[in-house]
Amino acid sequence: GDSVTQTEGLVTLTEGLPVMLNCTYQTIYSNPFLFWYVQHLNESPRLLLKSFTDNKRTEHQGFHATLHKSSSSFHLQKSSAQLSDSALYYCALSGSNYNVLYFGSGTKLTVEP
Amino acid sequence: EAAVTQSPRNKVAVTGGKVTLSCNQTNNHNNMYWYRQDTGHGLRLIHYSYGAGSTEKGDIPDGYKASRPSQENFSLILELATPSQTSVYFCASGPGQANSDYTFGSGTRLLVI
Repeated sequence: GDSVTQTEGLVTLTEGLPVMLNCTYQTIYSNPFLFWYVQHLNESPRLLLKSFTDNKRTEHQGFHATLHKSSSSFHLQKSSAQLSDSALYYCALSGSNYNVLYFGSGTKLTVEP
Repeated sequence: EAAVTQSPRNKVAVTGGKVTLSCNQTNNHNNMYWYRQDTGHGLRLIHYSYGAGSTEKGDIPDGYKASRPSQENFSLILELATPSQTSVYFCASGPGQANSDYTFGSGTRLLVI
């Protein structure tokens, strides 16, 4: 079945350093949609960005990600971390069952001064 | 303003008791979902629905039932609550298209003692 893997459970960074959160996925569907959701403390998850186009960079709110179908990856990046980026980040997949989003286990990002 | 509203926000239940979590959406979305959120597991799909009268099993349906009596309402029922069901539960709605993101409710924090 469809699945999403986020290898880092916890990432701690110093403000100003680059961010990279890893996401890989598995699906038999050749045209999956990939999403990144962000969840701040005591809030609900909300969409950060999404993509379905192979090798095209998608950007939103200073974050960017590129879907690479050849490696089944959709890593989230930002050039310079801010304190306000501290949150839980989920990668999600809409694959063979497009009615359902499958989420990864999440990466908790903590940005320190 | 379109929204997803969950009730209650917090619930303490006794082992073996019946628990009903309610969700109402004003987005006029066809699809609704119940996820539970646990550290290290992320968001896991319990049940979902394509519309009034429809319920489908997600990845972890055991111990849970769902009910969709109308387009707007979707309930999650724990007939015999167990401590392992202590978690944060999120309801979400979506239009049922591959590129569409979900709108999440604020979550229900359930403690089973």
